[in-house]
Amino acid sequence: AAGVIQSPRHLIKEKRETATLKCYPIPRHDTVYWYQQGPGQDPQFLISFYEKMQSDKGSIPDRFSAQQFSDYHSELNMSSLELGDSALYFCASSLDRGANSPLHFGNGTRLTVT
Amino acid sequence: KNQVEQSPQSLIILEGKNCTLQCNYTVSPFSNLRWYKQDTGRGPVSLTIMTFSENTKSNGRYTATLDADTKQSSLHITASQLSDSASYICVVSRPTGTASKLTFGTGTRLQVTL
Repeated sequence: AAGVIQSPRHLIKEKRETATLKCYPIPRHDTVYWYQQGPGQDPQFLISFYEKMQSDKGSIPDRFSAQQFSDYHSELNMSSLELGDSALYFCASSLDRGANSPLHFGNGTRLTVT
Repeated sequence: KNQVEQSPQSLIILEGKNCTLQCNYTVSPFSNLRWYKQDTGRGPVSLTIMTFSENTKSNGRYTATLDADTKQSSLHITASQLSDSASYICVVSRPTGTASKLTFGTGTRLQVTL
């Protein structure tokens, strides 16, 4: 079965550079969530989209922005990268945004900022 | 204080043995409780989702229980296999209308050995 696809799998950037992470949800899933997971930490919710509109916002820094496109894929844009941005970034999708909807996670993008 | 506490923090068991992981939560109001398995560097994979009215749910060798009165859940793994080695994360959801209101536990790191 198709899963959530994230790209790239690994990304190395220098401080103050920009990065773009991509997420392709499971077909027919209209809701996308972005999470940041630091080493040894639980995932922190960043932002979510439903039907191409921002649905909810968590602890996403102002340096980050995201959007969901007409084909439901989503991109997380990160600017002025800082060392503390090094983390695993997960995208998850669900069939709808109901509280009981199962979340399907991608395998993440590991971002390293040097 | 984390609203979702998991114990033990880590666990080592022999292949073939059973084990039980615990999750206590204070999140309120409560919509559902999810157990995820996360392999190192990969996205969490959903094992079970239980709503308020459910007190047990099985998925193969995984059986989750929920006591909404005492706000406790457990995940029982039967006849463990080497591939069960992973982090197991308990996640509690609040009924806010969006699935993004999830509170993650910090996980139990399970290692299954020969």
